[in-house]
Amino acid sequence: ETGVTQTPRHLVMGMTNKKSLKCEQHLGHNAMYWYKQSAKKPLELMFVYSLEERVENNSVPSRFSPECPNSSHLFLHLHTLQPEDSALYLCASSTRQGGTDTQYFGPGTRLTVL
Amino acid sequence: AQSVTQLDSQVPVFEEAPVELRCNYSSSVSVYLFWYVQYPNQGLQLLLKYLSGSTLVKGINGFEAEFNKSQTSFHLRKPSVHISDTAEYFCAVKGQGGSEKLVFGKGTKLTVNP
Repeated sequence: ETGVTQTPRHLVMGMTNKKSLKCEQHLGHNAMYWYKQSAKKPLELMFVYSLEERVENNSVPSRFSPECPNSSHLFLHLHTLQPEDSALYLCASSTRQGGTDTQYFGPGTRLTVL
Repeated sequence: AQSVTQLDSQVPVFEEAPVELRCNYSSSVSVYLFWYVQYPNQGLQLLLKYLSGSTLVKGINGFEAEFNKSQTSFHLRKPSVHISDTAEYFCAVKGQGGSEKLVFGKGTKLTVNP
């Protein structure tokens, strides 16, 4: 499998559930990103990991908890979400964070919070 | 910090007509510029990027864009569109610094009609 993969592709959860989104990159990259894409709004950068270390956290509520166990895998753990958290969550990776490096995106997880 | 304005939220065109999707940016430093495309139910795919050199950049699927520093613009063009070009197009900018973030516009929905 090549590129950036995300699972699950669709997720419906209640406000009291705990779930996790998974991202895997097969490109040999060292930086990984979580974005949130809501209707009518620009893509919002949530978290950046570079060499498995979190280098950016854009004031994201604590109900979102990222984890990067190695340079190929990135998780987003979700708990006690709100309906306004319903969105498409996109993972991306790049050779390194910053500079001219291009970010490559996965297909996204469509999250619906009931 | 950087910002991006995509002037048209929706652009309807007929098949085989030319199209231009407009993008303007704001930045206090030099920038790198990108166009991404998002087909329905998919992630973002890189169309083209401007890093340096020639201001006319050619990308995939017959698209091209021209960097105009004086007008702070990076408009995307295609001389003849196909039905399959129907998608959402995102312009993005990154400042030329070590850890500058990729900042996206709100997107332009291109609809190609037969």
